[in-house]
Amino acid sequence: ILNVEQSPQSLHVQEGDSTNFTCSFPSSNFYALHWYRWETAKSPEALFVMTLNGDEKKKGRISATLNTKEGYSYLYIKGSQPEDSATYLCALQYNFNKFYFGSGTKLNVKP
Amino acid sequence: EAGVAQSPRYKIIEKRQSVAFWCNPISGHATLYWYQQILGQGPKLLIQFQNNGVVDDSQLPKDRFSAERLKGVDSTLKIQPAKLEDSAVYLCASSLTVRDGGSEQYFGPGTRLTVT
Repeated sequence: ILNVEQSPQSLHVQEGDSTNFTCSFPSSNFYALHWYRWETAKSPEALFVMTLNGDEKKKGRISATLNTKEGYSYLYIKGSQPEDSATYLCALQYNFNKFYFGSGTKLNVKP
Repeated sequence: EAGVAQSPRYKIIEKRQSVAFWCNPISGHATLYWYQQILGQGPKLLIQFQNNGVVDDSQLPKDRFSAERLKGVDSTLKIQPAKLEDSAVYLCASSLTVRDGGSEQYFGPGTRLTVT
């Protein structure tokens, strides 16, 4: 079982603030790193899939980077909005489609 | 395209009772997963199916949990008898199977189980 760590566990920000959180993992061969957004009472929703060292992905105000050599990925949210409130999960994908999840960062954006 | 369906959405039972959850994956997805997500923790894989065969059930508490995927489509997860520590969200996910490079998972909305 791989240890995927996410920090912080929770985060409270004001609307308009920019924020970022971290996913750390043992540097090893894996197929991809996934970021998900999980809103209460909804299905986890895929945000990004990253595979290469130095990958950067962006979707609107949200972006992510991957550093496989040092074993971390950052997720950034620019100008947070209340609708960004959710738990953000990262997961490593290995062979045979095995996924190992972190415990998530719970973001609360206050209007 | 219809997503992953799960039922029920919520379930409250007493300890030592039995419960079953149902999952219907996205059509054509060969791989199906059941995860247990306890409050404050990340989803933990309970069992992974490839079509109707089990790929990984190493973390499934087999003395009380069972799962099946008949005909390689729908799946059910059962707990018998339930314990207080089984209170969690049970997520079902499915993915296409790609031999090299993996593929994305798609999740259902989960079943929130409370054991009292």
